[in-house]
Amino acid sequence: QSALTQPASVTGSPGQSITISCTGTSSDVGGYNYVCWYQQNPGKAPKLLIYDVTNRPSGVSNRFSGSKSGNTASLTISGLQADDEADYYCSSYTSSDSYIIFGGGTKLTVL
Amino acid sequence: QVQLQESGPGLVKPSETLSLTCTVSGASITSDYWSWIRQPPGKGLEWFGYIYYTGTAAKYNPSLESRVTMSVDRSKNQFSLKLTSVTAADTAVYYCARKPDAKAHLDVWGKGTTVTVSS
Repeated sequence: QSALTQPASVTGSPGQSITISCTGTSSDVGGYNYVCWYQQNPGKAPKLLIYDVTNRPSGVSNRFSGSKSGNTASLTISGLQADDEADYYCSSYTSSDSYIIFGGGTKLTVL
Repeated sequence: QVQLQESGPGLVKPSETLSLTCTVSGASITSDYWSWIRQPPGKGLEWFGYIYYTGTAAKYNPSLESRVTMSVDRSKNQFSLKLTSVTAADTAVYYCARKPDAKAHLDVWGKGTTVTVSS
């Protein structure tokens, strides 16, 4: 099962908005509303940011939002802050035997 | 507040079996599903699979399924991972996590434990 496709890196400036894409197929991203996003800081465990495409867990800033169109999901971070600099991973349910697949990760740099 | 903590040997010899345990605190293991994920150095995340607290329902990543076994010990509020015939490619940080109900996301993660496969 191939991983979901994410850009390797994204760069933004403080205060700006950025969007990270996550492209899959109709067997995963496009077929189900079970896309989620994780933030991972260096040396730390991933933290759930978004689940079921658009939902934020309690305690996650509303600067983080998720969406989906066709086979591509997106994570948007508005009002970029320096501590948003981290790796971001998307994940989805897949109807293949893999059940849960991850994207390759995107490194966000805040200049 | 639910917390998960991985434990196990940090060094495993090639061809041997890697065994890890995740201890759940702040909640009973008798709900939800429980997962393992790993991250090789400098690389992305790889999902191992999940197991239901009863131990009767488990789903493994097909690429690892032939070498993976998960189990649950309700009396200790723990779940475990065994990975057989390890090679250097199994060197990674191993995370345990909670998968709520029938959802496909992982909402609580352990801090991770580093396992190195080397002779």
